[in-house]
Amino acid sequence: GESVGLHLPTLSVQEGDNSIINCAYSNSASDYFIWYKQESGKGPQFIIDIRSNMDKRQGQRVTVLLNKTVKHLSLQIAATQPGDSAVYFCAERRMDSSYKLIFGSGTRLLVRP
Amino acid sequence: NAGVTQTPKFRVLKTGQSMTLLCAQDMNHEYMYWYRQDPGMGLRLIHYSVGEGTTAKGEVPDGYNVSRLKKQNFLLGLESAAPSQTSVYFCASSLRTPRSTDTQYFGPGTRLTVL
Repeated sequence: GESVGLHLPTLSVQEGDNSIINCAYSNSASDYFIWYKQESGKGPQFIIDIRSNMDKRQGQRVTVLLNKTVKHLSLQIAATQPGDSAVYFCAERRMDSSYKLIFGSGTRLLVRP
Repeated sequence: NAGVTQTPKFRVLKTGQSMTLLCAQDMNHEYMYWYRQDPGMGLRLIHYSVGEGTTAKGEVPDGYNVSRLKKQNFLLGLESAAPSQTSVYFCASSLRTPRSTDTQYFGPGTRLTVL
């Protein structure tokens, strides 16, 4: 909802440019990572996922990169569109926590026309 | 195929009142989850269920109870609401055990305000 997003880091990009949203995770035992998109007033929507045995995965206009050495995950959105404006969350699945998902606090993406 | 639905969409309670949030999914998913989302804190798992008749505690279970009497429904109860439970509540479901890479699918959320 609208109240989610207060105090979130914000990335502002020009329409048509590429966007890169970053996420740091803390647990080296995490084996699976997901990116979700959340539009105002809606629930999180799956975008793309990646297993820990991969370092890159591509979807339609989106690419996820995983750097296990520094525990860093990024989401790249090509040719950003106004409809991409939303809050983006990364989530990690921790093998030492009954395989439950742990969500990051999110990044707000604003696309300037 | 409606996916994951939640009722109600909005609710205002007074401190001490009780209520139940209903989650329903029509995807025949085994796992269901209840999360709360607060500003700047991401999603936190309240309770989850690995199948009909089973429930388990998540990260922030205190003050909530759940029931999974039918595979397609997962109920979240607040017995005595407190202002700290003001939040947006999301239900999610996934096909199989989290050991697989089945993603979680979320409902549209319930915005709860406790006065």
